[in-house]
Amino acid sequence: SQTIHQWPATLVQPVGSPLSLECTVEGTSNPNLYWYRQAAGRGLQLLFYSIGIDQISSEVPQNLSASRPQDRQFILSSKKLLLSDSGFYLCAWTEPSLRQGVMNTEAFFGQGTRLTVV
Amino acid sequence: SQQGEEDPQALSIQEGENATMNCSYKTSINNLQWYRQNSGRGLVHLILIRSNEREKHSGRLRVTLDTSKKSSSLLITASRAADTASYFCASGGTSYGKLTFGQGTILTVHP
Repeated sequence: SQTIHQWPATLVQPVGSPLSLECTVEGTSNPNLYWYRQAAGRGLQLLFYSIGIDQISSEVPQNLSASRPQDRQFILSSKKLLLSDSGFYLCAWTEPSLRQGVMNTEAFFGQGTRLTVV
Repeated sequence: SQQGEEDPQALSIQEGENATMNCSYKTSINNLQWYRQNSGRGLVHLILIRSNEREKHSGRLRVTLDTSKKSSSLLITASRAADTASYFCASGGTSYGKLTFGQGTILTVHP
């Protein structure tokens, strides 16, 4: 069966420090991978998605970047954190597209990382 | 940006009652999905309804979709205290599995 691991669970970082959040998926190949951010009491906002190794798309301009060095590894990074980067970060995966674009499959989420920038 | 709006933002009911949550979206979709989030945790998929479907059932869940009104509803029947969580709708299927989430409904079921 497929599993998704995301760590750390919580993180407190000072403003200006770097960030690296990691997500790995097991039990599937060539998944689509996603990073979402959830502000307190709000819905999720898609930050990045990836359909393959080194294929990253950014959805919103921001202080963060993403990388996919291996098929089932997705990393969210920042060189210098801002206070506004605080939030709940969720990694997710879906089965790869059978054809470009349309997909009617569910997403599977990790347990999230709560980041507080102080 | 978030395109979905959910109504109500918070819902408080007694065990055994039904809970209905509504969701509206703005752009065309291929499917509408509902997720549940327990406090401080990841999201769990509940049900997916395709754009050519009008109603779908799964256990105590019933989802409807009205594409002419760009709206969906989630009904949880005979609610239990364990159903207490936040519920999100998400429109998807248009591109590489990307989802656009609503703001969520916080459901509290009192025993």
